[in-house]
Amino acid sequence: GESVGLHLPTLSVQEGDNSIINCAYSNSASDYFIWYKQESGKGPQFIIDIRSNMDKRQGQRVTVLLNKTVKHLSLQIAATQPGDSAVYFCAENIGPGGGNKLTFGTGTQLKVEL
Amino acid sequence: DAEITQSPRHKITETGRQVTLACHQTWNHNNMFWYRQDLGHGLRLIHYSYGVHDTNKGEVSDGYSVSRSNTEDLPLTLESAASSQTSVYFCASSESGTGKSRLFFGEGSRLTVL
Repeated sequence: GESVGLHLPTLSVQEGDNSIINCAYSNSASDYFIWYKQESGKGPQFIIDIRSNMDKRQGQRVTVLLNKTVKHLSLQIAATQPGDSAVYFCAENIGPGGGNKLTFGTGTQLKVEL
Repeated sequence: DAEITQSPRHKITETGRQVTLACHQTWNHNNMFWYRQDLGHGLRLIHYSYGVHDTNKGEVSDGYSVSRSNTEDLPLTLESAASSQTSVYFCASSESGTGKSRLFFGEGSRLTVL
């Protein structure tokens, strides 16, 4: 989920379990959403995206769910691996007037325990 | 392979000095962005550009400026560095047009202002 405090919310999962990371977005006019993964000392990496005309999209081991009614986005990671340990950010694009800008959430730290 | 590079990766400077962070992308993307990342705030947009000679202010633009003289580069300048500008800075780029808001990020520049 999101946080306005000084510490990132943390999700700890066992290796092999499924992970669910949640995000509440702010603007009902947002029409495009992205999940990014950020490993320590690196830039954010694209994971998966979804448009507002969809409610589910699947990638390799990842699924994004969009609930526009409650402005909620989730990222599901199947069979979580140690390499999945990172900070995960959701981002929204407020279109069409929002141009190509993305607004990011504060992130969730995923820790995978062996 | 196309990429986006930032330099320097690490810099320490003193209050009041001018600092310029470089960003260079080889994707030929029209859109380029500068974000800063601080714990508890996620990624916040500083400035962005939709093409050569176009620049726009983001949500935290005070104390920063950018210029876009060609497609490949968007340097970020801190006119008079302040301790509050100690942060990690990320440059990003994306294709123009609707439906292509996915941002490609650089590896970041860590700036410390003493």
